[in-house]
Amino acid sequence: ELKVEQNPLFLSMQEGKNYTIYCNYSTTSDRLYWYRQDPGKSLESLFVLLSNGAVKQEGRLMASLDTKARLSTLHITAAVHDLSATYFCAVDTQGGSEKLVFGKGTKLTVNP
Amino acid sequence: GAVVSQHPSRVICKSGTSVKIECRSLDFQATTMFWYRQFPKKSLMLMATSNEGSKATYEQGVEKDKFLINHASLTLSTLTVTSAHPEDSSFYICSASRPPGQGGADTQYFGPGTRLTVL
Repeated sequence: ELKVEQNPLFLSMQEGKNYTIYCNYSTTSDRLYWYRQDPGKSLESLFVLLSNGAVKQEGRLMASLDTKARLSTLHITAAVHDLSATYFCAVDTQGGSEKLVFGKGTKLTVNP
Repeated sequence: GAVVSQHPSRVICKSGTSVKIECRSLDFQATTMFWYRQFPKKSLMLMATSNEGSKATYEQGVEKDKFLINHASLTLSTLTVTSAHPEDSSFYICSASRPPGQGGADTQYFGPGTRLTVL
């Protein structure tokens, strides 16, 4: 059974600081996704990582994937208040099956 | 813009009644859609895979007679919560993959969600 673990689950940081969210998964997969969820809202796709060594950046967020270590990271650079949300990583269970297993999410709060 | 819609966005019903939630892909055809549920401050749990023209595939522990799924067309899947009880109160989210040939980008697009409250 595929398990996806995120840490930390809660993250409170000040504006301007950097931090990394980690996503570990238990079985082989080369498709990993990061989503953002605002309170009461659905999920917004942030990054799709499809191969070992993949790195993608959008604004202050950068995601990477190491399939050998079964690890993805979401790095936040110079955080701003607008980044406050819950971030989920999700792994495709069967390489293209599109059935996703989600981590528990990281609730990020960026304080002024 | 939004590529997957859900209706209704919120519904409150009495215990014992049935509730239907619709999920539509707006400008593409989706042979497969997915239904998730999310409890407050929790993660998403896949309930079932909805297959156009055939029976849905349910995840372990999900009662198929309670959560009826119909995928009658390439743009519409419905989830009916039958004989709803307070423990069925949750946030239900559908998703669909937009094929690359239809402007997709190797990711699932999630609907806005339906918040069900059973009294």
